[in-house]
Amino acid sequence: KQEVTQIPAALSVPEGENLVLNCSFTDSAIYNLQWFRQDPGKGLTSLLLIQSSQREQTSGRLNASLDKSSGRSTLYIAASQPGDSATYLCAVGNQAGTALIFGKGTTLSVSS
Amino acid sequence: ETGVTQSPTHLIKTRGQQVTLRCSSQSGHNTVSWYQQALGQGPQFIFQYYREEENGRGNFPPRFSGLQFPNYSSELNVNALELDDSALYLCASSLAGTEETQYFGPGTRLLVL
Repeated sequence: KQEVTQIPAALSVPEGENLVLNCSFTDSAIYNLQWFRQDPGKGLTSLLLIQSSQREQTSGRLNASLDKSSGRSTLYIAASQPGDSATYLCAVGNQAGTALIFGKGTTLSVSS
Repeated sequence: ETGVTQSPTHLIKTRGQQVTLRCSSQSGHNTVSWYQQALGQGPQFIFQYYREEENGRGNFPPRFSGLQFPNYSSELNVNALELDDSALYLCASSLAGTEETQYFGPGTRLLVL
């Protein structure tokens, strides 16, 4: 049974700092991995989608890497801003178009 | 192109009642998935609908049921509500057969008293 773990559960940083969020999964036979952002009480916004054949994806200040063999992914946020404050969720897809398995998320707070 | 919409936004029910939540998928999408997110937890997969048929189900009891309509919109029904059903219910739509991500709606917050 696939399990997804995110560390740390919460993180507080000053504005401008670069930071890394971690995600690990127990079964390396994944189809894809996604990082989502969730603002309090809101739905999910997809940030980056990495297919199993890819090693990383980049969008603006965000970079996500995937190491299937070790069951790990990282989300790197460069030059953090107060607007980046949110919960970041990692989700694994075991087959195309089927259920996503989520971690519990990392709640990020960026202070100005 | 319209995004995923859900109704209602908030709902309060009492234990034992029944509830229906609604979801309109993003234009062009034919698959709808439902997730339950308890406070402080990640979303948990309930089930998925494709071509009006259930196409996968998570570890949820039969009192959680659903429908998908010809226009690809969907309903989630929960019977005999329990206190632990209090959660944010998220709907996500996608296009089968592609590598696209699932697009999530804003969710319905259900409180069971």
